[in-house]
Amino acid sequence: GENVEQHPSTLSVQEGDSAVIKCTYSDSASNYFPWYKQELGKRPQLIIDIRSNVGEKKDQRIAVTLNKTAKHFSLHITETQPEDSAVYFCAASKKAAGNKLTFGGGTRVLVKP
Amino acid sequence: DAEITQSPRHKITETGRQVTLACHQTWNHNNMFWYRQDLGHGLRLIHYSYGVQDTNKGEVSDGYSVSRSNTEDLPLTLESAASSQTSVYFCASSLGQGSTEAFFGQGTRLTVV
Repeated sequence: GENVEQHPSTLSVQEGDSAVIKCTYSDSASNYFPWYKQELGKRPQLIIDIRSNVGEKKDQRIAVTLNKTAKHFSLHITETQPEDSAVYFCAASKKAAGNKLTFGGGTRVLVKP
Repeated sequence: DAEITQSPRHKITETGRQVTLACHQTWNHNNMFWYRQDLGHGLRLIHYSYGVQDTNKGEVSDGYSVSRSNTEDLPLTLESAASSQTSVYFCASSLGQGSTEAFFGQGTRLTVV
């Protein structure tokens, strides 16, 4: 089955700096890659996603890049703010498997004021 | 508003007891999923369903069962609770039919003593 690895497990950045989280996946048939943000004690919520026919997607301060050849994708957060502090999860799925998500282990991001 | 809800939010039970966690969604989504969240392991898939009367095992299904008698509900049953099943459980749903965003419930914190 699919295996998703996520690095780093923790990330501390100064407010205003950029944060980058990287994920690799094993199943070359995976075609959907969402990123979820989970604040302390809350449910995971989708913040951005990318499909395999696109190499990059941006939404304000966040962007995701996908390298299908290398089977890795990354989340980029620019101009970080204290409210970006949370746990971020990457995931992968494929339509042929009914779109069930396989998650990475998560990255705890701390933005220091 | 349509939503996905879990109950109870917190549960303490004794080893060996049968426990059922409820998940109810009002989006008329075909796909429903149960995940458990543990430190260092991210979100791991327990069971999932693509429609009424359909259930499938995920990567950590031992000791758990689900049933899907209608579109709205996917209860998760722990047959004989064990301390290793102490965790936070999240239910999620997605429309299916090519749509892939998954929406999560608020989570249930289960403690087995």
